[in-house]
Amino acid sequence: GNSVTQMEGPVTLSEEAFLTINCTYTATGYPSLFWYVQYPGEGLQLLLKATKADDKGSNKGFEATYRKETTSFHLEKGSVQVSDSAVYFCALSGSSNYKLTFGKGTLLTVNP
Amino acid sequence: DTEVTQTPKHLVMGMTNKKSLKCEQHMGHRAMYWYKQKAKKPPELMFVYSYEKLSINESVPSRFSPECPNSSLLNLHLHALQPEDSALYLCASSLGTAPRSDTQYFGPGTRLTVL
Repeated sequence: GNSVTQMEGPVTLSEEAFLTINCTYTATGYPSLFWYVQYPGEGLQLLLKATKADDKGSNKGFEATYRKETTSFHLEKGSVQVSDSAVYFCALSGSSNYKLTFGKGTLLTVNP
Repeated sequence: DTEVTQTPKHLVMGMTNKKSLKCEQHMGHRAMYWYKQKAKKPPELMFVYSYEKLSINESVPSRFSPECPNSSLLNLHLHALQPEDSALYLCASSLGTAPRSDTQYFGPGTRLTVL
């Protein structure tokens, strides 16, 4: 079956530091890949997505590239802000169904 | 606009109460979902509606009863819940359920506490 493995953290960074959260997946076919962000006390927000190999999703300074050869979709941001503190979930949607498979989530804390 | 709304934001209920959660979207999406999320965990799928018909029930206990009155509205009826059902309940919608139309947009959730 499908699975997603992401670094669990917690990750603590200083403001303006570089961020990488690793995500690798196992799936048959050609899944769609997503990063969702959950701020404290809120629901999930779609951060970015990619639907085919070599696609780069980007939003709010965050980027992730769909790498089929390494089955990865690592999240990066060049300069984090305190407001980026949240839980980040990597997820995939299989090529034959709707179902979202989530990673366990990574708690990011950015200190001033 | 990618907004999914949920009411109420918070709900406290006793084990003998009957209550309902409501979810609404006006994006023309034809698939709607209920998830349950416990603290520090990813969301777990409960139900999927596709074109207003229940297409997936992930072996959810019958004390949770979903309803889709129309393509924009999704309800979750709650009855005789247990304290372990306390969680954040998230609604989501997508254009469809097929690949490339399956990006799910989530609402803010209802924080449920069962006493």
